[in-house]
Amino acid sequence: DIQMTQSPSSLSASVGDRVTITCRASQSISSYLNWYQQKPGKAPKLLIYAASTLQGGVPSRFSGSGSGTDFTLTISSLQPEDFATYYCQQSYSTLLFTFGQGTKLEIK
Amino acid sequence: EVQLVESGGGLVQPGGSLRLSCAASGFTFSSYWMHWVRQAPGKGLVWVSHINSDGSSTTYADSVKGRFTISRDNAKNTLYLQMNSLRAEDTAVYYCVRGGGLRSFDYWGQGTLVTVSS
Repeated sequence: DIQMTQSPSSLSASVGDRVTITCRASQSISSYLNWYQQKPGKAPKLLIYAASTLQGGVPSRFSGSGSGTDFTLTISSLQPEDFATYYCQQSYSTLLFTFGQGTKLEIK
Repeated sequence: EVQLVESGGGLVQPGGSLRLSCAASGFTFSSYWMHWVRQAPGKGLVWVSHINSDGSSTTYADSVKGRFTISRDNAKNTLYLQMNSLRAEDTAVYYCVRGGGLRSFDYWGQGTLVTVSS
């Protein structure tokens, strides 16, 4: 099974900060890496798919990079509405679509 | 507008059964893979099962294999999850999810809560 490990598990930052979240796969997943945002009590929302492709309607301050085993999600300038939990997910293996454990982004 | 509306959740005793439904609208349902994803209270996201567009292929997480069955009715634009032999650890919000580009999960329902407790 492919394991996904996110770091950090939690992060405190201020409005306007640049933030980076990393995700590491236990084996190469090419570019089959997706990022989701979830706010409390709400369903997750797709932000980025195929490692770096921005989903329609997602602000350009969000970006993704990486391939193989190491990936990053970057928010260039944090906005108040960005405080949420972020999950990475691999879709390389169609037998098991694994999520990372999540990164909770909190206001400093 | 893509809409996914889950129903069928509720309280069930350990060992019991429940069938979740997901009514899809706003897109050509029969053209898309569909998934169920769950989230236990205060925990992360866990993929449960997937079904391809015509229903001929399904996959399951090991934790539900042999107990849960995913199915779809493309004529009714509806996705199902039959859950048998339920355990306390199956307690979660269950999300119906559409498969998107590069096998991402691009649209999510609002979720339905399943509670397994005596």
